[in-house]
Amino acid sequence: EIVMTQSPATLSVSPGERATLSCRASQSVSSNLAWYQQRPGQAPRLLIYGASTRATGIPARFSGSGSGTDFTLTISSLQSEDFAVYSCHQYNNWPWTFGQGTKVEIK
Amino acid sequence: QVQLVESGGGLVKPGGSLRLSCAASGFTFSDHYMTWIRQAPGKGLEWISYISDSGSIKYYADSVKGRFTISRDNAKNSLDLQMNSLRAEDTAIYYCTTVHYGRLDNWGQGTLVTVSS
Repeated sequence: EIVMTQSPATLSVSPGERATLSCRASQSVSSNLAWYQQRPGQAPRLLIYGASTRATGIPARFSGSGSGTDFTLTISSLQSEDFAVYSCHQYNNWPWTFGQGTKVEIK
Repeated sequence: QVQLVESGGGLVKPGGSLRLSCAASGFTFSDHYMTWIRQAPGKGLEWISYISDSGSIKYYADSVKGRFTISRDNAKNSLDLQMNSLRAEDTAIYYCTTVHYGRLDNWGQGTLVTVSS
């Protein structure tokens, strides 16, 4: 099973600042990596797939990069609605696995 | 628009059974692969089962293999998860999702399953 490790566990950021989240796979997942946002009390929402492609309707301030084992989600200028938990997901190998999540909180 | 509505969650005793359903609308259900994902309280997301568009291919996580069964009825636009021999560690919110080339692009609102005596 591929283990997905996200860091940091919690990221404290001021509105308008940049946030950089990391996701590392225990073995290569090529570019078969997605990012999801989960606001409190809500279901997850797809943000990024294929490591760097924004899903429909996702603002341009969200960007993804990386391939192989190291991936990054960047939020260029945090808005109030962006404070949430972000999870990465590899779909390169069965079983599909998720990272434990990074909580982005208001500083 | 795409809508996925889960139902069937509730409180069940250890060793008991529960059947979850996911009603799909707003898209051609029979064209889509589907999954069940769960999230234990305060924990991360866990993929548990996958089914192909025709229902001929099914995968399960080791944690539920032999206890859970995924199925679908394309005529009724419905996805099910039969859960047997439930354990305390199965307590979670269960989400159904559509799958498109591996990405989970639409999620239901989830249904809570609590396994407790």
